[in-house]
Amino acid sequence: KQEVTQIPAALSVPEGENLVLNCSFTDSAIYNLQWFRQDPGKGLTSLLLIQSSQREQTSGRLNASLDKSSGRSTLYIAASQPGDSATYLCAVRKVATDSWGKLQFGAGTQVVVTP
Amino acid sequence: GAVVSQHPSWVICKSGTSVKIECRSLDFQATTMFWYRQFPKQSLMLMATSNEGSKATYEQGVEKDKFLINHASLTLSTLTVTSAHPEDSSFYICSARDVGNYGYTFGSGTRLTVV
Repeated sequence: KQEVTQIPAALSVPEGENLVLNCSFTDSAIYNLQWFRQDPGKGLTSLLLIQSSQREQTSGRLNASLDKSSGRSTLYIAASQPGDSATYLCAVRKVATDSWGKLQFGAGTQVVVTP
Repeated sequence: GAVVSQHPSWVICKSGTSVKIECRSLDFQATTMFWYRQFPKQSLMLMATSNEGSKATYEQGVEKDKFLINHASLTLSTLTVTSAHPEDSSFYICSARDVGNYGYTFGSGTRLTVV
């Protein structure tokens, strides 16, 4: 069974520092991996989607890497801002056997960026 | 971008009554939608996978008769919590898979409180 772990569970940094969020998964047979942001009491906003054949994706200040063989993904957020405060979730989609494309989520990393 | 509309955003109901939550894909067709439940400070727990025109597939431990799912069209899935009890109080989130870009779009969630 796929297990997705996110470390750390919580993180607090001063504004301007870079953020590094880690996600690990036990089964490397994934179709893709997606990073989401969730604000309190809200739904999820997709940040980056990395296909299994890709090693990284970038969008503005965000960069996500994927090392499928070691079962790891890292989300980097450069020059953090108070508006980056949220919970960040990673999710993996299994390959093949699950044709509906169910996602397996990590527990999330709660980020607080202080002014 | 792809948008999923979820209504209502919050609802309070009495024990024993039923509540319906709607999830609509606004600008794309979603043959598959997913329903999640989220407890405070925890990650998303998949409840069921909803496929247009067929019966939903429920995850282990989820009561089919309590959580009725209907996916009657390519843009609408509904979750009905029947005979609600206080322990059903939770945050419910739907998600739709956009076949075109392989990503997932989430609704804004519904906060259900059963009193």
